[in-house]
Parts: sequence; structure tokens; C-alpha cells
Amino acid sequence: GESVGLHLPTLSVQEGDNSIINCAYSNSASDYFIWYKQESGKGPQFIIDIRSNMDKRQGQRVTVLLNKTVKHLSLQIAATQPGDSAVYFCADPLSSNTGKLIFGQGTTLQVKP
Amino acid sequence: DAGITQSPRHKVTETGTPVTLRCHQTENHRYMYWYRQDPGHGLRLIHYSYGVKDTDKGEVSDGYSVSRSKTEDFLLTLESATSSQTSVYFCAISEGQGGGGNQPQHFGDGTRLSIL
Repeated sequence: GESVGLHLPTLSVQEGDNSIINCAYSNSASDYFIWYKQESGKGPQFIIDIRSNMDKRQGQRVTVLLNKTVKHLSLQIAATQPGDSAVYFCADPLSSNTGKLIFGQGTTLQVKP
Repeated sequence: DAGITQSPRHKVTETGTPVTLRCHQTENHRYMYWYRQDPGHGLRLIHYSYGVKDTDKGEVSDGYSVSRSKTEDFLLTLESATSSQTSVYFCAISEGQGGGGNQPQHFGDGTRLSIL
């Protein structure tokens, strides 16, 4: 079946540095991707999304890059803060008609003061 | 925050008992979803709904049933709970206009269910 996976289960960065979290997907027909942040004891929180007609999309301190050629996307967080410590998931709708999502396993971001 | 309320937030029950989890939304979104989250498996879709009384199975639907009699409420029922259903359950909603896949889903804060 289709899958979505993150490259590293854990990423540790220094406060103030930039963070890059990577994700690979297998469905070449995928046309929409979502990044979520999940803090301990809470549900996943929407961060940013990107459609396949875009290579890059920016939000507040976050940028998502999409490389359709190698089926890879990344989430960049600028000037990482302690409040950014969480698990980050990329998600890929299995079907545009149902909105069913395939979630990666998640990358835990640890921010060192 | 999206207006999603899950209840109860925590529940401990015994094997063989029925359990119903409730998801309530105030956003009037068409699509609603139930996921479970387990270590090593990430989030997995149990059932979803694309309208009142319209539901379909997800990836791990065995042992679960759902009902949606009103737009705002989506119920997940474990008819006879088993220990393998111990998990954290999340409800999600999306607008889904023209196709749910191109709208982000927004999640509740989960129900932690323990089955002894």
C-alpha cells in the first residue's frame, strides 16, 4: 500500500537554530500534503499545507518544500524555540474524494536551551 | 482552535464491556473522522463520515462501529472492548467541500482509553 515516512525519528537542535524535518511519500499521484505538530497530551495541530502545483510555501517561521521528482517534502522551522518541541507528522490524503490521510510515524523535535 | 470536543477525555473499563466515545463539533463541517494512535503505528483511521448517516470504514475498523445522526456529533462504539483496543482515540473534522482531500483536518485533544 501507499506509505508516508519521516527520515529521522528524533531531531535535536539548539535554540535559535533552524530545523529541517524531512518526509518521503510513495504515491506519485499524491497532490496535497499537510504538516502537523503534536504536543504531549494533545491532538495533532495543523501547521501548514501544500498542493502539488507549488514547490514551496511559507508560513510564520515555517517553510514547506515539495520535490515531486523524488517524492520528498520537508518542513523548515526558522529560529527554533523551546515551544517548537513536539512530534511533527507529514500527512498525505489517500484519496481526494474522502480526505483519508496517511500519516508518517512522526519526528520528535527536541530543542536544547 | 477548531471547535471539537471529545468526551470522555479518559476512561478505564473492563474487557467485554461496551464503550462509546463522543465527538462534538461546532464548525458545521461535513467530514468527521475517528483515528487511534498507538506507539509504533502512528495515527490510523478507524471510520469516517461524509455526512449525516453516511459513514465508511477506514484502515482498522474491525471491532468498531460509528453513528452520525446529526452534523455535529460522531460516535464511536466498541461493542465488546478488548485489551487490544487500549489506545488514544482522536476525532478530526474537515470542510471537505469539493473533496475532503484538499482541506486540512483539525483534531480534538483525544480520549485515552484503557481496557483491563
